[in-house]
Amino acid sequence: QQQVKQSPQSLIVQKGGIPIINCAYENTAFDYFPWYQQFPGKGPALLIAIRPDVSEKKEGRFTISFNKSAKQFSLHIMDSQPGDSATYFCAAGGVDGGGKLIFGQGTELSVKP
Amino acid sequence: NAGVTQTPKFQVLKTGQSMTLQCAQDMNHNSMYWYRQDPGMGLRLIYYSASEGTTDKGEVPNGYNVSRLNKREFSLRLESAAPSQTSVYFCASTAELMNTEAFFGQGTRLTVV
Repeated sequence: QQQVKQSPQSLIVQKGGIPIINCAYENTAFDYFPWYQQFPGKGPALLIAIRPDVSEKKEGRFTISFNKSAKQFSLHIMDSQPGDSATYFCAAGGVDGGGKLIFGQGTELSVKP
Repeated sequence: NAGVTQTPKFQVLKTGQSMTLQCAQDMNHNSMYWYRQDPGMGLRLIYYSASEGTTDKGEVPNGYNVSRLNKREFSLRLESAAPSQTSVYFCASTAELMNTEAFFGQGTRLTVV
């Protein structure tokens, strides 16, 4: 199965809160899990990515948590700011799928001042 | 650096008309991709080109054709547009076949009436 399921579809938090976006995958051959951030009218841009040999990766205020046995990974945004308001996509890929990325459905995040 | 450039940015077609979406990258990337983005569906891969001279189908190829004109350019053609092809189309490129950072264009918003 090639699906990547992402939740929630939308999320509203107050400034300083910690929004969490979750993704689940089925194909155990996936070995690359990026998160993309998209602002209105723009193309997606890579935010952070993780490989299954580690359980957590931090870059600035953004953290990916990875649970290989549960086939789940999540994005946490620490001290969220209004400028973080965007749509976030998780994705998964691997050599087994020809290296192509399968994207989740997207989460529209709104951070209120 | 322009990165990935798509033209046009907006287009309205009548059912049955044809058109070609253009994409060019200036990063000397080997692989290029066409995605469509629909609300609640995430990004779905239409076609991709792992390297100059090769093209392959993605998840949703029906109704589309592609041409990898050279290493820089990858075009998407709709031979007979249908309302179901109303979407936002993104071109992307990677240095190699996925599992590395994908750079996206700004998108083409296509409406078929």
